[in-house]
Amino acid sequence: DTGVSQNPRHKITKRGQNVTFRCDPISEHNRLYWYRQTLGQGPEFLTYFQNEAQLEKSRLLSDRFSAERPKGSFSTLEIQRTEQGDSAMYLCASSLGSGTQETQYFGPGTRLLVL
Amino acid sequence: KNQVEQSPQSLIILEGKNCTLQCNYTVSPFSNLRWYKQDTGRGPVSLTIMTFSENTKSNGRYTATLDADTKQSSLHITASQLSDSASYICVVRGGGYNKLIFGAGTRLAVHP
Repeated sequence: DTGVSQNPRHKITKRGQNVTFRCDPISEHNRLYWYRQTLGQGPEFLTYFQNEAQLEKSRLLSDRFSAERPKGSFSTLEIQRTEQGDSAMYLCASSLGSGTQETQYFGPGTRLLVL
Repeated sequence: KNQVEQSPQSLIILEGKNCTLQCNYTVSPFSNLRWYKQDTGRGPVSLTIMTFSENTKSNGRYTATLDADTKQSSLHITASQLSDSASYICVVRGGGYNKLIFGAGTRLAVHP
């Protein structure tokens, strides 16, 4: 257990529905990252926050995706009008600082299945 | 294009045996390289981190090597245990935006 928690751990939804995932980082960590991982692949960067500011978004993050970190603590990732191609593991990671030795600690992930 | 390629894609070994996983990268500029272990259904956990000037680093039965000239790294697992069964992901920090670039991983299965 790295100290990063994610909820829910699993989500099954029908195409077209909205889903929201939550990530609780390690409490003193100022950076929070979201990744998407499909079967047999490494994680792909989606977005990251430094405190409450969303500093970067990947081109993978379409308009249907939105992430927030309102108080610089927990974060939510919402997917609107889900599509079957959204089925993946969504990983959250947190870190302290931004130097080259920065270590990201990953949560267990939320596995999404869109039917 | 900044890429990280790993081989083999999957590997089966018997408990107690050693194995070596390979990672080649084309990330530039290079900052550091990490190996992560990811158990099925879990998030990745960092095993080692190496910077440009480091050639080898150990973490218990895991030994990582880095050749920054040839842009290759390896992860050697000694005396494998059943609990070593996992995906091992090579991750390079760099590429101009100081991002993490992940390989697809090597899926290791250790059989009794």
